[in-house]
Amino acid sequence: SYELTQPPSVSVSPGQTARITCSGDALPKQYAYWYQQKPGQAPVLVIYKDSERPSGIPERFSGSSSGTTVTLTISGVQAEDEADYYCQSGDRTNSYRDVFGGGTKLTVL
Amino acid sequence: EVQLLESGGGLVQPGGSLRLSCAASGFTFSSYAMSWVRQAPGKGLEWVSAISGSGGSTYYADSVKGRFTISRDNSKNTLYLQMNSLRAEDTAVYYCAKVGMYYDILTGYQMGWFDPWGQGTLVTVSS
Repeated sequence: SYELTQPPSVSVSPGQTARITCSGDALPKQYAYWYQQKPGQAPVLVIYKDSERPSGIPERFSGSSSGTTVTLTISGVQAEDEADYYCQSGDRTNSYRDVFGGGTKLTVL
Repeated sequence: EVQLLESGGGLVQPGGSLRLSCAASGFTFSSYAMSWVRQAPGKGLEWVSAISGSGGSTYYADSVKGRFTISRDNSKNTLYLQMNSLRAEDTAVYYCAKVGMYYDILTGYQMGWFDPWGQGTLVTVSS
């Protein structure tokens, strides 16, 4: 089955750069997407098509892709960025389904 | 402004049924695929189901296939999820989301990302 693997947690100090990775065998062939979820709130799209940023998302959020790993980078982390982050991609080979990574808790120290 | 408002959640006994609704506004509903995603308490996100803009194509996660049915009424700008034979492990907040599309030169239009999401509706399966 198709899986996406994320680290459970990442911790950074304010102003530093946070990098959250997501690994999956199909990522070289399928786009990845990233969501931010704060407690008690619905997820919000922060990156689509590996590296595109939706309107309204701060420039400090960026995405990149290399082989079977995609990375969400948050430059100059702020306290308000503390949240859970999820990657998502699609399995379009033998059937249609979408898959989420297990999520990464970003802690701003 | 795009808005999605889920309703229909609640407490149901194992084996029971429930129908969720998602009222959409602020965009041409029939032009977009829609999806349901759920989140069990304290857990991560799990994709549940998707439906094309016309309603002619539907897709399901293995965990709900044969028990859940996704549908839409484009005249009412509303998405539905009929949930039957509910189990304790179906307990979750259910979100509806508008699906973003992109064009692939080899395969045509493809469903991609979820944006925006509704606020969610809680389904609790318990006796």
